Amino acid sequence: DAMVIQNPRYQVTQFGKPVTLSCSQTLNHNVMYWYQQKSSQAPKLLFHYYDKDFNNEADTPDNFQSRRPNTSFCFLDIRSPGLGDTAMYLCATSRDAGMNTEAFFGQGTRLTVV
Amino acid sequence: SQELEQSPQSLIVQEGKNLTINCTSSKTLYGLYWYKQKYGEGLIFLMMLQKGGEEKSHEKITAKLDEKKQQSSLHITASQPSHAGIYLCGAAYLNTGNQFYFGTGTSLTVIP
Repeated sequence: DAMVIQNPRYQVTQFGKPVTLSCSQTLNHNVMYWYQQKSSQAPKLLFHYYDKDFNNEADTPDNFQSRRPNTSFCFLDIRSPGLGDTAMYLCATSRDAGMNTEAFFGQGTRLTVV
Repeated sequence: SQELEQSPQSLIVQEGKNLTINCTSSKTLYGLYWYKQKYGEGLIFLMMLQKGGEEKSHEKITAKLDEKKQQSSLHITASQPSHAGIYLCGAAYLNTGNQFYFGTGTSLTVIP
């Protein structure tokens, strides 16, 4: 059974139209991550939550926001998507922070901005 | 800056051939992970290495971590078309909070 579930799998949105991507987990992990992966590139960390504590990466655009209403769910909000935001968005969880902790990934949401 | 570098960037091999993918870290690792990604999908965990000199195998895939814990290799024996995909190494480091870094990825094509 899938442990990290992302919805939708595919999303097409118009330039400038807000979009929300969803991630849920059944692992009861403390940490949830959002990554952006553009074509032929490695995933890039956008931000993560350790429990309710939000940690934003320094180079994550302000256009990207996140919410974690409870342990199981985490959302990625893109307020005004640009064409350059077309990418695969990956959600991951880990039991604890940092070293020696395996991250479990969802199937990803492929976002296309038109 | 890129913490993890992978080589080669892409690899095309004939079915049945052996191959090796390398992952080099700019800092000492505290956990090294290998993932496989099929096109357009999420990451599938393959193996985790923690100790210097550690080696793990699963079916025809073997991963090693060097004694200094800065370099790892992934070796596939007798490759099959099902091995095709993108292989990513991932790592966590001490004193970087909750950061989990990825390598640049290696795209593997296996020709039947």
